[in-house]
Amino acid sequence: GESVGLHLPTLSVQEGDNSIINCAYSNSASDYFIWYKQESGKGPQFIIDIRSNMDKRQGQRVTVLLNKTVKHLSLQIAATQPGDSAVYFCAENRGAGNSGYALNFGKGTSLLVTP
Amino acid sequence: DAGVIQSPRHEVTEMGQEVTLRCKPISGHDYLFWYRQTMMRGLELLIYFNNNVPIDDSGMPEDRFSAKMPNASFSTLKIQPSEPRDSAVYFCASSLTGLQPQHFGDGTRLSIL
Repeated sequence: GESVGLHLPTLSVQEGDNSIINCAYSNSASDYFIWYKQESGKGPQFIIDIRSNMDKRQGQRVTVLLNKTVKHLSLQIAATQPGDSAVYFCAENRGAGNSGYALNFGKGTSLLVTP
Repeated sequence: DAGVIQSPRHEVTEMGQEVTLRCKPISGHDYLFWYRQTMMRGLELLIYFNNNVPIDDSGMPEDRFSAKMPNASFSTLKIQPSEPRDSAVYFCASSLTGLQPQHFGDGTRLSIL
């Protein structure tokens, strides 16, 4: 999900449910994708990454899916917990070569987990 | 393990003053990145270094902004003179190599009055 202006898309889920956060990217040259979690007053925290030669990668309770055909990235969180409440950002690298290592960030999606 | 360390955590100053933000990357990381975060523009890359050498500074807003990395364990971002529109949270991040996760500090919240 992408935001316009001050309003972040918000996903509200119940504790224990699975969450899916979506992200679209536009740069065909990107070959590295990453998800971050940001809590209030803190810096973005790395969750999981994936390279363009893969379409799925799993971590602990999280799975990232990459669909290069439609330039779509998603983050799945299993058994969502109240501590998962935060803003989630997707990011992709700018492209090939040394100058392509910078990341372009999406505007973020706010995840709210209710008991 | 020590993460990326930024100082100060908060800075409030009057417009026209010089502001210096500091960053200590994770030891052994070859890449250092400076980002700025605002509600309107989100997270934007300002500049990044590889082995202390600036690689891409296309995100630096204007000549009032400058960044240095005198050694592998220290970087500064300087704004001179500062303006109210520079108010934002400034993050420093470092990564082991170019295509490895960037690890962020907790940022400097800058307010220019």
